[in-house]
Parts: sequence; structure tokens; C-alpha cells
Amino acid sequence: TQTVSQSDAHVTVFEGDSVELRCNYSYGGSIYLSWYIQHHGHGLQFLLKYYSGNPVVQGVNGFEAEFSKSDSSFHLRKASVHWSDSAVYFCAVRGNTNTGKLTFGDGTVLTVKP
Amino acid sequence: GALVYQYPRRTICKSGTSMRMECQAVGFQATSVAWYRQSPQKTFELIALSTVNSAIKYEQNFTQEKFPISHPNLSFSSMTVLNAYLEDRGLYLCGAYRAGNTEVFFGKGTRLTVV
Repeated sequence: TQTVSQSDAHVTVFEGDSVELRCNYSYGGSIYLSWYIQHHGHGLQFLLKYYSGNPVVQGVNGFEAEFSKSDSSFHLRKASVHWSDSAVYFCAVRGNTNTGKLTFGDGTVLTVKP
Repeated sequence: GALVYQYPRRTICKSGTSMRMECQAVGFQATSVAWYRQSPQKTFELIALSTVNSAIKYEQNFTQEKFPISHPNLSFSSMTVLNAYLEDRGLYLCGAYRAGNTEVFFGKGTRLTVV
């Protein structure tokens, strides 16, 4: 069984601030982790993924995430946020198989104030 | 590039009626297709995972009798919401798996409103 936990339901920051959105997971084997963004009223947009190799992965629009096996975490970060980054962010985990199901966290609502 | 199209984008149906939504993979072969539902203010729940030439696996709380899925080839899948009621409203996403690829490609979703 795989689970994903996003401990912060809401995060509010000001434009130009840095931000970290937390994601913790549990799974017994090799894992595939990803982050998605959902703007209000829209579908999912892929941000980045980790499968193996360098634990720090770069994504679109200046986002990066760091995988930590010891902490079972895959936190998302951005050094300087823009108002357009306001959205809901979903962390997702999938077992390392070609057809493993993708399980989503509950999402974190990021609000960026001007 | 790999793209996934879903249609319709939005639909309204009367309570107790059914509606069908479609998912088309373009530029790659979708060996598996996952259907998700996002109810208002909620996360994405997996309804079922369909793999070509294998049985469709439904998650707990979702049944074939309520959400029949067709996955006839490597580029197309459809799902019907039978006897839709208020609790079925939300955004339905199709996620397509490419063979040998770890990424799942999502369509923009079909938003279902039940009146």
C-alpha cells in the first residue's frame, strides 16, 4: 500500500518569498514521485518527477524538489514565488512498475500575495 | 510530444441519466489508462486502472456497474457514468501511461455537473 501525506492544507506567502511545500510518502519498494499543479478550474499540469539518480530534481517555472529516502519525503521548493504560482499543488507517488497506480496527496493550496 | 485529449471538457446531465466521456492519447501508445475523479474541494481519487489485454481494476467504492470503461486499443479509452447523481459531480481526469515511461500524461479533464 502506498500513501502520500501533504501536511499543509494552505500556505500563504508574499511575492518574492521562498516557499517549501511538504510531501511525505510511505511505500515498501522502489518509487516514482511527482508534483502536479492545478490552477483554479483547470486540470493537472506536470511540474517534475523523481525516479532515480540526483535527489534534487528541477521542474518547470523555477520549481525544484528534493527526494529524501531517510525522511520519506519529496518536498517542493521555489526560491522566489510569483503571484501566478497561486494554485493547488499535488504530490503523487507510484510504485516502480509500468502500471503502478498513481496516488495523490490531498493537495496544498498556495496563495501568493502581492 | 505526448498529448492526452479528453472530451467533452464540460457536460451537464440530469440526475439519474448517464454520460460518456472519452480519452485520446496522441503521439504515444497508452498501454494503461487510469480514470480519476476530483470531487469539489477534494483530491484525485482513482476510479480504475485499465491495461490493454488485462482486466480493468476498480478501486474500492467504484464499480464496473457504475463506471463501465472501454479500452479497445492503445490510443483510446472511454468511461461512462451511469445513473449520475449529485455526488458524482466533479472533474474526471484520464491519465495515460506510456510503455516503458515512468510519467503519466493527463488530459485536461471532463467537468461533470449534475442537475
